[in-house]
Order: sequence, then C-alpha cells, then structure tokens
Amino acid sequence: AQKITQTQPGMFVQEKEAVTLDCTYDTSDQSYGLFWYKQPSSGEMIFLIYQGSYDEQNATEGRYSLNFQKARKSANLVISASQLGDSAMYFCAMREGNRNTGGFKTIFGAGTRLFVKA
Amino acid sequence: GAVVSQHPSRVICKSGTSVKIECRSLDFQATTMFWYRQFPKQSLMLMATSNEGSKATYEQGVEKDKFLINHASLTLSTLTVTSAHPEDSSFYICSAVLLSSTDTQYFGPGTRLTVL
Repeated sequence: AQKITQTQPGMFVQEKEAVTLDCTYDTSDQSYGLFWYKQPSSGEMIFLIYQGSYDEQNATEGRYSLNFQKARKSANLVISASQLGDSAMYFCAMREGNRNTGGFKTIFGAGTRLFVKA
Repeated sequence: GAVVSQHPSRVICKSGTSVKIECRSLDFQATTMFWYRQFPKQSLMLMATSNEGSKATYEQGVEKDKFLINHASLTLSTLTVTSAHPEDSSFYICSAVLLSSTDTQYFGPGTRLTVL
C-alpha cells in the first residue's frame, strides 16, 4: 500500500506568488520524520525541510514552511514568493524506524512537478 | 556541510560488463547509506540499505548478486552492477544519513548508467 501520497502531478504558480504542494502519509508508527526534497532537472536531490512527528510547531526554512497536520496525516509544503529557480520536481518523504530499532527506511511519494511562470 | 559525492556522474558501457559506482560522504561519517534507482519521470525506488561493516539489506525484488554493495568505510559505499544489460540503464542515486536529531539523508548527484 502506498504510504506517501502526492496528488498533484503538476502545479503552476506565478512568480512571486505562494504555492502549496500537498502530501499525505500513512503510518502506524508514533515516531517518524517527514521530509521534502527538491529535484531540479540536473537530477540531484536537495534537502529542503524536516518535520518530526513530535514537533509541535510547523517547520520553517527560509521561504519553505511545512504545514503539519498530524491528525489528518498531512505534511504540505508551502513555498512563499516563488522564484523561477523553484521550477523542479518536489518529493515528500517519510522516514520510519530509527537507527536503534532497525528498519530505518525512507519512503518517497510520486512527486509534484512545479512550474513557476514569469 | 553534509556533502555527498557520487562517481562517475555518467557512464556508458557494453552489455555484459560490470560497472562500479562510488558514493562518498565528504564532510561527515555515515554508518548508513542508501542506494536508489530512478526511472524517467518516476519517484525514487529504494534498492538497498548499506551498513558500514555489515552486509547490505536489499529490498524485495532486487537481486543481490546483480547489484553488489560494499560499505567498506564510514565514508564510502560502492554499488557494482554486474553483467550489465540494457534494462539496467537508469539513474542511480545514493544517500548518506547524517546522524543527528533528524537523521536527514543527504543525496549524491546521481549516476546515469547507459548499457548498450
């Protein structure tokens, strides 16, 4: 069963506007981590932001913020003031398990391609 | 910080040959590294978990004799595609875990393998 769901295959946003990329997840673990990565056309995966399952506040990193709604199991990425360089593929990911108990694994969603229009 | 390199970035080989891809964590030690495969316009597919000093853990459906993984040191993991065939052509990307409160994975730039 798919554990990370990104329902938007593609999104368009006007430069300087904000955009929200959706992500829902499914897990029975109490402790887990949620990540967002950006993959430009060059192929590299760039870490953007992290949210721990026990974190009470939404994570923020510069123009990126994570709208974490635990009860809904959603972890949407908000990009403010979009720039042309933000055009890329964005992946939501969830880490289950931990290095102490084993089964340390990260699962990725299908991704959302973001197009920023000038 | 948290830089991961991968070499080579691009390789073209003949069918039947073996190809070795290196993944290095440059400024941190990584007891755990992961190897992924990515097909065009698709997500990352986890192939195996590479643990320093022990055998790799392969995901279901991944042939361990086909994709040999060696994690010889705290900064280096290698993936060898043995007897490569055209269907092995893909984008291979590694990641290394920076042990911290978040245990974030940092990715290498990827290796594009083309088997003729």
